[in-house]
Amino acid sequence: DTGVSQDPRHKITKRGQNVTFRCDPISEHNRLYWYRQTLGQGPEFLTYFQNEAQLEKSRLLSDRFSAERPKGSFSTLEIQRTEQGDSAMYLCASSYFAGGFSNEQFFGPGTRLTVL
Amino acid sequence: AQKITQTQPGMFVQEKEAVTLDCTYDTSDPSYGLFWYKQPSSGEMIFLIYQGSYDQQNATEGRYSLNFQKARKSANLVISASQLGDSAMYFCAMREGVGGSYIPTFGRGTSLIVHP
Repeated sequence: DTGVSQDPRHKITKRGQNVTFRCDPISEHNRLYWYRQTLGQGPEFLTYFQNEAQLEKSRLLSDRFSAERPKGSFSTLEIQRTEQGDSAMYLCASSYFAGGFSNEQFFGPGTRLTVL
Repeated sequence: AQKITQTQPGMFVQEKEAVTLDCTYDTSDPSYGLFWYKQPSSGEMIFLIYQGSYDQQNATEGRYSLNFQKARKSANLVISASQLGDSAMYFCAMREGVGGSYIPTFGRGTSLIVHP
């Protein structure tokens, strides 16, 4: 297993365009998380899935953002009508959750989005 | 109020010396978990160490140890025998049990530079 992968690694787009990012978690992991990280900040939670169910969404996740995890495997994060404020690193993480707090999350390399 | 506070934006240490990165947290939940992650310039978050709120002993993982002082709500990371490859951003995170969502909150990070 090669760990969590994300595609693309970098995306440059013009304001108003739609973008979609993909995350492939570690295969046996049932939870998948999306975070956004801006310069000088720690990751901020956006949403997470347990298997195919989206269990929680942050208030940071405006109506322009949507995430899916069909069949409980890979996930996509789409941003519609991008704005310059969407420029950030988008991180995906996965974990095997069986209760408790100690389940570590394994992060992917991130997708760096630049909105011009 | 900030749930995770990392007061040191940047730290410098000489190779082979020990360094302590500070982290204080704020929660009223008796059940929580504390994590430290390393983020090198490549961007990928790497899990380092975990401490549970009910753990009696400080967590250790190789050269990393967590100085857990529950009454003071601090969870400082100690790196012994620093190596050049330890130069990175370090993030403290907390996962609370409220609502069972287990969503971690990250601090703003500390930049560590190890020089020869």
